[in-house]
Amino acid sequence: IAGITQAPTSQILAAGRRMTLRCTQDMRHNAMYWYRQDLGLGLRLIHYSNTAGTTGKGEVPDGYSVSRANTDDFPLTLASAVPSQTSVYFCASSDSGGTQYFGPGTRLTVL
Amino acid sequence: AQSVAQPEDQVNVAEGNPLTVKCTYSVSGNPYLFWYVQYPNRGLQFLLKYITGDNLVKGSYGFEAEFNKSQTSFHLKKPSALVSDSALYFCAVRRSTDSWGKLQFGAGTQVVVTP
Repeated sequence: IAGITQAPTSQILAAGRRMTLRCTQDMRHNAMYWYRQDLGLGLRLIHYSNTAGTTGKGEVPDGYSVSRANTDDFPLTLASAVPSQTSVYFCASSDSGGTQYFGPGTRLTVL
Repeated sequence: AQSVAQPEDQVNVAEGNPLTVKCTYSVSGNPYLFWYVQYPNRGLQFLLKYITGDNLVKGSYGFEAEFNKSQTSFHLKKPSALVSDSALYFCAVRRSTDSWGKLQFGAGTQVVVTP
């Protein structure tokens, strides 16, 4: 593993179902972030964490939850998916200089 | 609150010509400024950043950006564009005092370089 990995690559999900997007980094960065990317809106921050055991809410947190049990993993959970959560989701981690490094993304479609 | 504006949805340029992608920002206190590039179906890749020091920042792939505090701008430039520079470019800002390191992104500018 080099950098950030995300799984799955893509997913089609029925509305109302629960879904967890996985994110793992091997750079030992303390800070991690989840964004969603929608056309014309750029990237919007969902949740973030600056160390294991601590998380915070970003710009669009409703309908999403995160956990940070260890340094490497930062899963994002949709408890009950809705069509407006159809988006491309990116996980990122940040080095001590503030530069964020992004994973390849998960394309999620909620029907 | 912090915000970023990228006034152009798309920039078209011929290969070999100079490329400029505009970005203006609003943030309380001193800004940290970033440029990222995204190729189709890929994650964002870091190009360059301004933290402090020289207003002209040089980054990857021949790109540079100039921090202008009075105009609150951080325009991305490349002297001679390549077809392979065609991609989506994002400007981002964060407050220097934000210990969480949260970035605010612009909506993105699509760059199209024609042969």
